[in-house]
Amino acid sequence: SYELTQPPSVSVSPGQTARITCSGDALPKQYAYWYQQKPGQAPVLVIYKDSERPSGIPERFSGSSSGTTVTLTISGVQAEDEADYYCQSADSSGTYGVFGTGTKVTVL
Amino acid sequence: QVQLQESGPGLVKPSGTLSLTCAVSGGSISSSNWWSWVRQPPGKGLEWIGEIYHSGSTNYNPSLKSRVTISVDKSKNQFSLKLSSVTAADTAVYYCARVRDGVMDVWGKGTTVTVSS
Repeated sequence: SYELTQPPSVSVSPGQTARITCSGDALPKQYAYWYQQKPGQAPVLVIYKDSERPSGIPERFSGSSSGTTVTLTISGVQAEDEADYYCQSADSSGTYGVFGTGTKVTVL
Repeated sequence: QVQLQESGPGLVKPSGTLSLTCAVSGGSISSSNWWSWVRQPPGKGLEWIGEIYHSGSTNYNPSLKSRVTISVDKSKNQFSLKLSSVTAADTAVYYCARVRDGVMDVWGKGTTVTVSS
């Protein structure tokens, strides 16, 4: 079945920029969504439709897309951004959803 | 403001059927949204299980399709998940979520299900 691949971990110092990639063959055809999950909590949407930011999400979160890869960028990382991040999309026909493998962001 | 609440047995025996319900409050399940189930095994990532529209149309994860049934009860404003022939690998936190225009924008708090004899 369809898979979305993310790096297992990203480490960044406070104030620096974190970039998390998500790769999948159907990404040129299907939108990507990004979710932040902190321990013991349900996921929270931080980016939708590749690059749109929901209300209430800080401007330091942004998304972009290029071919089969989408990227979540966190500019000026803060300690509170330490969390797991998952991309989510659909297969090429839009029949079923899929989550990426997840990336743990550590703020040094 | 729509809220979702999962409920169901926290312990299921191997080879049995896992049954969960997601109650929708603050809005109608018959609105123009899909309603989905997601799970997360301990220490692992999120897995999309499936979704349902109020009309009864469903989409399922191909890897679980043979064992999963998602249904909707409009009279009770809730939807349900059944997963048959469970094993220890089905032990997870199960979340329900609203899907609006492709976005899982409202999530329940999740419920832990353990498969064990």
